[in-house]
Amino acid sequence: QKEVEQDPGPLSVPEGAIVSLNCTYSNSAFQYFMWYRQYSRKGPELLMYTYSSGNKEDGRFTAQVDKSSKYISLFIRDSQPSDSATYLCAMSALGGYQKVTFGIGTKLQVIP
Amino acid sequence: AAGVIQSPRHLIKEKRETATLKCYPIPRHDTVYWYQQGPGQDPQFLISFYEKMQSDKGSIPDRFSAQQFSDYHSELNMSSLELGDSALYFCASSSTRGRGNTIYFGEGSWLTVV
Repeated sequence: QKEVEQDPGPLSVPEGAIVSLNCTYSNSAFQYFMWYRQYSRKGPELLMYTYSSGNKEDGRFTAQVDKSSKYISLFIRDSQPSDSATYLCAMSALGGYQKVTFGIGTKLQVIP
Repeated sequence: AAGVIQSPRHLIKEKRETATLKCYPIPRHDTVYWYQQGPGQDPQFLISFYEKMQSDKGSIPDRFSAQQFSDYHSELNMSSLELGDSALYFCASSSTRGRGNTIYFGEGSWLTVV
């Protein structure tokens, strides 16, 4: 079993929909959570990061962490065709150098 | 803002040849990572360096080696190339001075082995 599980999709939604992307993890040491967006043949771009359980909002994006369930989510409101990309969750322990573990990524397509 | 710089962006090599990829981290970042991403796969961690010393090793083949230099740039050397080495290779950097280890990626180097 992988330390981080993420449904690869693909996920197709109509423009304007609310998108929910999720990851589960098994390593209790993970305390730092990140979401990356990757367009085809491009480097992953950091979208959001968070340390604590609860919600963190940035524009149309909301990151949610539930450490008790080892479950994290990324919500995209008012989705746009330009949001079509692969979304990767990533996580690590805290403090000093820590290896970051990625999910496989969920491919999202927002249809105009 | 300065980002992670990788070179070359594209590289075509024949089987059994050698390739070298270069990475220039974000200024003042003390950690460099190398990842390999095959088609439809998540980035696979290869190796990392913290303050010029190898800090972690992932699924890096013995044919590959890497190092970080005094100016913090890093090079990934790949020898006896195989067709299966064709992939997008990412370099990333981070600073351990913060609370969390946020990794910033370069645009990647495309290696095609023919």
